[in-house]
Amino acid sequence: EVQLVQSGAEVKKPGESLKISCKGSGYSFTIYWIGWVRQMPGKGLEWMGIIYPGDSDTKYSPSFQGQVTISADKSISTAYLQWSSLKASDTAMYYCVRQQAVQDAFDIWGQGTMVTVSS
Amino acid sequence: SYVLTQPPSVSVAPGKTARFTCGGNNIGGKSVHWYQQKPGQAPVLVIYFDTDRPSGIPERFSGSNSGNTATLTISRVEAGDEADYYCQVWDSSSDHWVFGGGTKLTVL
Repeated sequence: EVQLVQSGAEVKKPGESLKISCKGSGYSFTIYWIGWVRQMPGKGLEWMGIIYPGDSDTKYSPSFQGQVTISADKSISTAYLQWSSLKASDTAMYYCVRQQAVQDAFDIWGQGTMVTVSS
Repeated sequence: SYVLTQPPSVSVAPGKTARFTCGGNNIGGKSVHWYQQKPGQAPVLVIYFDTDRPSGIPERFSGSNSGNTATLTISRVEAGDEADYYCQVWDSSSDHWVFGGGTKLTVL
């Protein structure tokens, strides 16, 4: 079965760092793009960026450029989303997604990782 | 940057047809994807490349795209179709994905 399994919920304080993960299975991890989508509480979907694990080519939404880092370790079929200094406004559900080509739809979604940032 | 406009809500009785619009400048020249998100769940792809249905999505779901409006249509609506529906396009001018704000379907 093709799936993306994300790491568990996190509760952090403002200023702390965080790295969440997304592990792909059931398909060839290196030939599909992995993206990240933010959904703030009660709000819509926002695209953050994507990475091609085969060569680590990465594209960011202008809204998230410089705010987060997307990376991947193809040896363990895992992609990451990382913050160096969290803010309360980073509180949201984060989904990883799979797409075959840059303009293809997101055909597989992870279950989501809830990140709560509160003092 | 490119903007997609969706009405906040649509209400329809069971068995009727629900239509969800997604407006954008010359959106007919782009490929539109649609997602369904039920409460507490991750989104699911229901239509891709304007009109195609992934395996497992009922034939009741269909899509069209022309001019400045793309449309997702659900025929013979069921209570289980209650969800938020999002449209999505790739903005090639800025190399990034754009989502519409989403439309909440209420089945009366």
